[in-house]
Amino acid sequence: EAGVAQSPRYKIIEKRQSVAFWCNPISGHATLYWYQQILGQGPKLLIQFQNNGVVDDSQLPKDRFSAERLKGVDSTLKIQPAKLEDSAVYLCASSFRPHGGYTFGSGTRLTVV
Amino acid sequence: GESVGLHLPTLSVQEGDNSIINCAYSNSASDYFIWYKQESGKGPQFIIDIRSNMDKRQGQRVTVLLNKTVKHLSLQIAATQPGDSAVYFCAETTGTASKLTFGTGTRLQVTL
Repeated sequence: EAGVAQSPRYKIIEKRQSVAFWCNPISGHATLYWYQQILGQGPKLLIQFQNNGVVDDSQLPKDRFSAERLKGVDSTLKIQPAKLEDSAVYLCASSFRPHGGYTFGSGTRLTVV
Repeated sequence: GESVGLHLPTLSVQEGDNSIINCAYSNSASDYFIWYKQESGKGPQFIIDIRSNMDKRQGQRVTVLLNKTVKHLSLQIAATQPGDSAVYFCAETTGTASKLTFGTGTRLQVTL
């Protein structure tokens, strides 16, 4: 089966600019997650969707981060405006059920300068 | 920009030896644990999982041990190969949520 697709692979922006990341989960996977992975650390959950509804966004910095999952398939994560500390890899993962096996995408590496 | 800590614990083993990677978890309510392997430029890849009603689970060349008393998890890799070189993370979650909480990670270096 095809894996979780993410784009772009790399992005460099200046602070205070906006950026958006896209994720296409594995077909049929109802649960989709966005994780932030700062260099040298483990991934940290930003937001979890079940179909197109938000299950957990408690760690999403809502003043600058937003995410949506239209039609319960693809998802977009946006940062506006970006800060230097947002430099990280943004990983998307999906699973066919909550608490099920995750499949991660390769991530988008964001550098804010 | 601020430089974030890059000093992952590192385990260096010779090819063919067995590797043991350890992980301490903090949430006594966690009941499902997963080990992931992450190679450079890639997302975490599932290796093996274990539920809290077990203390050992074996896969192909890998074994996970769970000690709930001291909240400790370990990953054993038999006959370590160069392709095993990567960063390994343990992750935990509870039965009522699927949010994974990841540990710090350990870098495994396999020498020839």
